[in-house]
This record gives sequence, structure tokens and C-alpha cells, in this order.
Amino acid sequence: RKEVEQDPGPFNVPEGATVAFNCTYSNSASQSFFWYRQDCRKEPKLLMSVYSSGNEDGRFTAQLNRASQYISLLIRDSKLSDSATYLCVVFPYGGKLIFGQGTELSVKP
Amino acid sequence: DAGVIQSPRHEVTEMGQEVTLRCKPISGHDYLFWYRQTMMRGLELLIYFNNNVPIDDSGMPEDRFSAKMPNASFSTLKIQPSEPRDSAVYFCASSLGSTMQYFGPGTRLTVT
Repeated sequence: RKEVEQDPGPFNVPEGATVAFNCTYSNSASQSFFWYRQDCRKEPKLLMSVYSSGNEDGRFTAQLNRASQYISLLIRDSKLSDSATYLCVVFPYGGKLIFGQGTELSVKP
Repeated sequence: DAGVIQSPRHEVTEMGQEVTLRCKPISGHDYLFWYRQTMMRGLELLIYFNNNVPIDDSGMPEDRFSAKMPNASFSTLKIQPSEPRDSAVYFCASSLGSTMQYFGPGTRLTVT
């Protein structure tokens, strides 16, 4: 089993749609969680951290369920500019960041 | 403020040649990471340093790969000899503490 697993994608959605990505992780001792965004042929960039209480940044909402070892990212009112690959990232206790394979999102007009 | 700087941005070389990739982390960051990304394997951590000291090199694929960090503002990743299967995008990232990492633009390596 991979340490971090994400929805395979790609997700093709129309502008204005709401889309959700899921991610599961295997190390129950993991401390910190993040979503990164990677545009085509560019470097990954930190999108947001994920907190146990859930957190929101504009149209983006991240949630963490420690009991189920599950992380989600919800994007509301999707824009063409949201098209990218979204990487789920986990920081196990005392360890290095573990990146998921990524989920590709394509927002169409 | 300047982000992580990598050079060269693109490198095309022939099999058997030595390749050196360079990275300048964000000033004040104490961690530096080298990653490799391919379509097949995704983003893989090769090695990381804390305060210029290598902490974990378990991701380095084999002895052909080596990395150094002679000071807080410079690191190199060397491949000698290079092989076609080394073709990938190599990212350097830095962070203050090891979690929220900032990536450089990457070096796209093609070995023919």
C-alpha cells in the first residue's frame, strides 16, 4: 500500500462546478498535512495547510479526518485557472514530506 | 524576495557524461531537499539536508548520484555517469523547519 493515495483523476469539470479531491494516508502518527498545486511543467506550490478542525481559504476548503486517515480538498465555483494537478502531502512524525501521485483537474468553459 | 534558484533550467547531455545541477535555497532556510519527478514515478525525494548536513539519502537511486551542500546558500546534485533513465525534472526545495517547503523552478534533464 502506498503511504499516500489520491483519487486517480483526471477530473474534467465545467466552470462554476464544485469538485472534491480525496486522499488517504497510511501512517497514523502523521503530524501535518498539506495540499500543493502543480501547474503543467512548473514546480509544486503550497496551496494550503490542513488542520484538524478544517480550514477554508476563499473557494478552497480542506478537511482532515484523523480517525479515518483521510484528507479532502473542496473547490467551489471552479475557475479555468484552477486547472492543475493537486498533490496531497503528509508529514509523518519525525519524517520527511510524503507526496501523493497527484490528481489532475481540468476546468472547461 | 528571491525564491529558490536552480540552474541550469534545461540540460541535454549524452549518456556517460557528468551532470551537475545547482541550487540556491531561500536565505535563512535550514532545510534543503532534492526531488526527482517523472510521469511514471511521480515526485520522489532523493536527499535532504539540515543545516548543511545530509540527513537522509535513502532516496538516492545509486552510487552514480551524489549531493553536497558546502554552505547554507548552495547545493549541488551530481550524476556521474548519466544514463537515459535519469531523464526527469529535478527540483530543489527549501524550508524553515522541514514542513512548508518552497520549490525551485526545476531542471529538466534529458540524457540521450
